[in-house]
Amino acid sequence: QVQLVESGGGVVQPGGSLRLSCAASGFAFSTYSMHWVRQAPGKGLEWVAFIRFDGSDKFYPVSVKGRFTISRDNSKNTLYLQMSSLRPEDTALYYCAKDGGDYALAFGQGGQGTLVTVSS
Amino acid sequence: EIVLTQSPGALSLSLGETATLSCRASQSVTSSYLAWYQQKPGQAPRLLIYGASSRATGIPDRFSGSGSGTDFTLTITRLEPEDFAVYYCQQYGRASWTFGQGTKVEIK
Repeated sequence: QVQLVESGGGVVQPGGSLRLSCAASGFAFSTYSMHWVRQAPGKGLEWVAFIRFDGSDKFYPVSVKGRFTISRDNSKNTLYLQMSSLRPEDTALYYCAKDGGDYALAFGQGGQGTLVTVSS
Repeated sequence: EIVLTQSPGALSLSLGETATLSCRASQSVTSSYLAWYQQKPGQAPRLLIYGASSRATGIPDRFSGSGSGTDFTLTITRLEPEDFAVYYCQQYGRASWTFGQGTKVEIK
């Protein structure tokens, strides 16, 4: 069973930084590309970052490019999202997801996400 | 960036009825790269359909996807209590993934 457990969220002031982590288990983490997706309170889903299984490619939407950095440690089965220059509009619940085939995303069973609140 | 527009915004149906959800793209989408998700309150999204019409592991055959080009449909037959949720479509193109704004399926 795919388990993805996000952590590292919290309250941060505008302009601040935060690093999120996602601990993966139940699948061969090092062979899967991974994503971060966020959901602002009461809103829909927004893709935030992608990293290929070996870290060779990283993609971001315009909204976070240059401020967020995705990385992974395959020896620790862990995905990261380093967020800097945070803005109030980055306030959201952040989920990690694995490649689900055909560029779809598979979220973890029972994943709760980690809440990031950007506020002064 | 390809924009996905879902309709209707909300759908009110009774148990046992059929739900038909639409997802329209601003540009043609490679069919293999269109997916549907279900999200219930307080839970992460769950992948239902990938490749426009392939069911993900463990998804009952009451859920089916169809469409091509710019118009895609998720059909849920014989609605059961656990099917009442928000549904999102998602596409991939040019190193970018985008989601539709969602359709809420409510109990009538």
